[in-house]
Amino acid sequence: GIQVEQSPPDLILQEGANSTLRCNFSDSVNNLQWFHQNPWGQLINLFYIPSGTKQNGRLSATTVATERYSLLYISSSQTTDSGVYFCAVEDTGNQFYFGTGTSLTVIP
Amino acid sequence: ETGVTQTPRHLVMGMTNKKSLKCEQHLGHNAMYWYKQSAKKPLELMFVYSLEERVENNSVPSRFSPECPNSSHLFLHLHTLQPEDSALYLCASSHQVEETQYFGPGTRLLVL
Repeated sequence: GIQVEQSPPDLILQEGANSTLRCNFSDSVNNLQWFHQNPWGQLINLFYIPSGTKQNGRLSATTVATERYSLLYISSSQTTDSGVYFCAVEDTGNQFYFGTGTSLTVIP
Repeated sequence: ETGVTQTPRHLVMGMTNKKSLKCEQHLGHNAMYWYKQSAKKPLELMFVYSLEERVENNSVPSRFSPECPNSSHLFLHLHTLQPEDSALYLCASSHQVEETQYFGPGTRLLVL
């Protein structure tokens, strides 16, 4: 199966700071998504981004499929951004693989 | 509110009990999924249904039995579970299997 590695595993930020989360994957993928799991356990999809760059408010993501990585940028972080960020990939056989996540804590 | 609801939100059961988790999506999607999230482990995909037919089963023990009676509802029937099955069980749906998934709030299960 595809290996999905996320870094850093843990991140603590002061409110207002910017951050970059990284997702590396070991093989070609059909699909890549970024999710945010809030402290109450709810999982929210952020981006469907098999390639290219997308932006949504303070969040943006870039996937470079040929180099097998994706980046999630969080600008002007807020306490509500706290939680775990997951990267998930889908291989050519419709099998899904999730990384272990980056746990983000934003302190006021 | 993502349009995917799950009940119950919390469940405590003994190892000899039989219970069911319910997921309902109000998004008109054709694909539904069950995931398991254990503490400090990656999210695990358990089952995938497309148009009410199972298309993926990632070697899940038979004590977990899914049911998809229609494209809006998905059940996970549980029987003779083990304490290590305690986890957050998440349901998701997407328009098609290869598209963005929308997750429910999850059912937090504790097996005693």
